[in-house]
Amino acid sequence: DAGVIQSPRHEVTEMGQEVTLRCKPISGHDYLFWYRQTMMRGLELLIYFNNNVPIDDSGMPEDRFSAKMPNASFSTLKIQPSEPRDSAVYFCASSESGGALYGYTFGSGTRLTVV
Amino acid sequence: GIQVEQSPPDLILQEGANSTLRCNFSDSVNNLQWFHQNPWGQLINLFYIPSGTKQNGRLSATTVATERYSLLYISSSQTTDSGVYFCASFYSGGGADGLTFGKGTHLIIQP
Repeated sequence: DAGVIQSPRHEVTEMGQEVTLRCKPISGHDYLFWYRQTMMRGLELLIYFNNNVPIDDSGMPEDRFSAKMPNASFSTLKIQPSEPRDSAVYFCASSESGGALYGYTFGSGTRLTVV
Repeated sequence: GIQVEQSPPDLILQEGANSTLRCNFSDSVNNLQWFHQNPWGQLINLFYIPSGTKQNGRLSATTVATERYSLLYISSSQTTDSGVYFCASFYSGGGADGLTFGKGTHLIIQP
C-alpha cells in the first residue's frame, strides 16, 4: 500500500488566495482526519470523517476553512481566503475501524506558507 | 478530553546511549501511539500500544494503562534517531475520535 498520500508537499500563496489541500487515504480505511501543526499550538485536530461523513469539525478554526470528502478515496481541505496565520503543516491521517485495532497512519503533510 | 504530557521536553545524547521517554495521560484510553517526526517533518508511526509491551529492533514501548503512562525505550541510539517523538492518545466509547498529541520530546543524538 502506498500509504496516505497528500498533495501538494509544499504550497506558497499570497494572502487572500484560495488554497486547496488534497488527501488520498489508505484503501479500506473508513476514518479520515485532518490535522494542523504549528510551533505555537503543536498538532491539533481540525476535522474528521467516518465513511465520508463529517463527524466532528469543532477544531476548524473559522469559516474560512472547509473540508469535504466526496468519496472514500479523496478528501480536500480548503482555505478561502488564506491569511498569513494559516501558515502551518497540514497532515491527513486515516484509520481502520476507528483506530482501535491498528492505530492511525499519517501522510507526509503539506507545508503551507501564506505571504 | 484526554490530556497528554510528555517528558523530558528535550534530550541530548551521545551516539550509542540509551534513553527512556515518558508519556502520561489523564484518563482511560483505548488507543495510544508513539510517533517519530523526522527532520523532514514526516510523522512515522512507531508503535500502536494501548497496553502491554512491544519491541521493534532497538525500540520498545510499554504502556501501563491502569497507571496511565507509557514509556518509549531507545537503545544504542544512532544519529538517525534524532527528531521529535510524540505520544498521542484517545478514548472512544464506540467509534473513533481524533488523537490528542503531547508536546513531544525533542531528541538530539550527537555523533
